[in-house]
Amino acid sequence: AQKITQTQPGMFVQEKEAVTLDCTYDTSDQSYGLFWYKQPSSGEMIFLIYQGSYDEQNATEGRYSLNFQKARKSANLVISASQLGDSAMYFCAMREDPGNSGGSNYKLTFGKGTLLTVNP
Amino acid sequence: KAGVTQTPRYLIKTRGQQVTLSCSPISGHRSVSWYQQTPGQGLQFLFEYFSETQRNKGNFPGRFSGRQFSNSRSEMNVSTLELGDSALYLCASSLNSPNTGELFFGEGSRLTVL
Repeated sequence: AQKITQTQPGMFVQEKEAVTLDCTYDTSDQSYGLFWYKQPSSGEMIFLIYQGSYDEQNATEGRYSLNFQKARKSANLVISASQLGDSAMYFCAMREDPGNSGGSNYKLTFGKGTLLTVNP
Repeated sequence: KAGVTQTPRYLIKTRGQQVTLSCSPISGHRSVSWYQQTPGQGLQFLFEYFSETQRNKGNFPGRFSGRQFSNSRSEMNVSTLELGDSALYLCASSLNSPNTGELFFGEGSRLTVL
């Protein structure tokens, strides 16, 4: 069974500083995908960044980067130059490998989330 | 490009009733997934539909069911509601890309069971 662990229930960061949100995962699959989503108080889950297990380079999307350490099974999210609008819940998630089933598998397993508060 | 639309956004039901939630995916997306989010259990996968077929199902009782129509719109139904069914129900759609599997979520339907 897959498992995602986010050990930081809450994090505080000063505006314009960088922050790292931790995520570790457990899987016996060789092929998997890791995601980070942001959930503001409105409830909508906003996709931030994706890392495939075979991707050699760490994923980056604007101010977001994913520090992928496969051997340690960690996929930490780094937000650079934090903004007030970054205050939200952040979820790490993992997708099972679709294998040879002929179709992609979109079942995601989510961590419990980290509540990030950006202070002015 | 319109995003994922979920209706209704908020609803209140009483125990024993049933509820139907609707999800319209992004145009062209054929995969629709449903998730339940509660403070205690977090986000849990309910089921996923592709081309009107259920491809995956989470560990939920049979009271939870869903379907997908030919236009990719999806509905989920919860029968004989229990207090513990109070949650935010999120729908997500995807193109079915094997490379990223990026899911686009709606704003959710917040169900309160009294």
